[in-house]
Amino acid sequence: SQQGEEDPQALSIQEGENATMNCSYKTSINNLQWYRQNSGRGLVHLILIRSNEREKHSGRLRVTLDTSKKSSSLLITASRAADTASYFCATDAGGSYIPTFGRGTSLIVHP
Amino acid sequence: SAVISQKPSRDICQRGTSLTIQCQVDSQVTMMFWYRQQPGQSLTLIATANQGSEATYESGFVIDKFPISRPNLTFSTLTVSNMSPEDSSIYLCSVASAPWAGELFFGEGSRLTVL
Repeated sequence: SQQGEEDPQALSIQEGENATMNCSYKTSINNLQWYRQNSGRGLVHLILIRSNEREKHSGRLRVTLDTSKKSSSLLITASRAADTASYFCATDAGGSYIPTFGRGTSLIVHP
Repeated sequence: SAVISQKPSRDICQRGTSLTIQCQVDSQVTMMFWYRQQPGQSLTLIATANQGSEATYESGFVIDKFPISRPNLTFSTLTVSNMSPEDSSIYLCSVASAPWAGELFFGEGSRLTVL
């Protein structure tokens, strides 16, 4: 069953703006990850945040995790047209480290 | 990270036929997985491919429909048997890094269209 649910389902912004996507989940997790998928291709791992971490940065990406609210956000700063893709959050819980994926947010960045 | 090659990248198949997808990794990996992504949907785990033993299938997926082989630590195949239009999906091979911290690496996927 799906664990994470992304919000919004679709996001359209102008180049240079920031993009924020949210992920909510239902049960306690070990890790939460974000992946990017360009136009029906394979997924690319972006960042992993552990349940005992609250914030992580990687280049223009900033991920936060609020375990009390069972939610995470992915912020892409100064977006570029090349950031156009679908973004998925994935969580693992309990004794299994196999991620379960949400439905994704479709991001379009207009040049 | 691992480099994963999947073949075919896409195919159009007739109802009732079967197709085998190959996944080749450029290094030995312990964990290999097969996911399905139906049009506009998220990824659903089909099974964990186990080297030298039968794959571990998730609820809703059975060996007769999705037989999987994993003869060694760098190669696996997924067969989609007796296909119907509902099997039209992207099938993705993924592997875990070692030591596994949770992140997965994916192939480019195999887009199947069943007519």
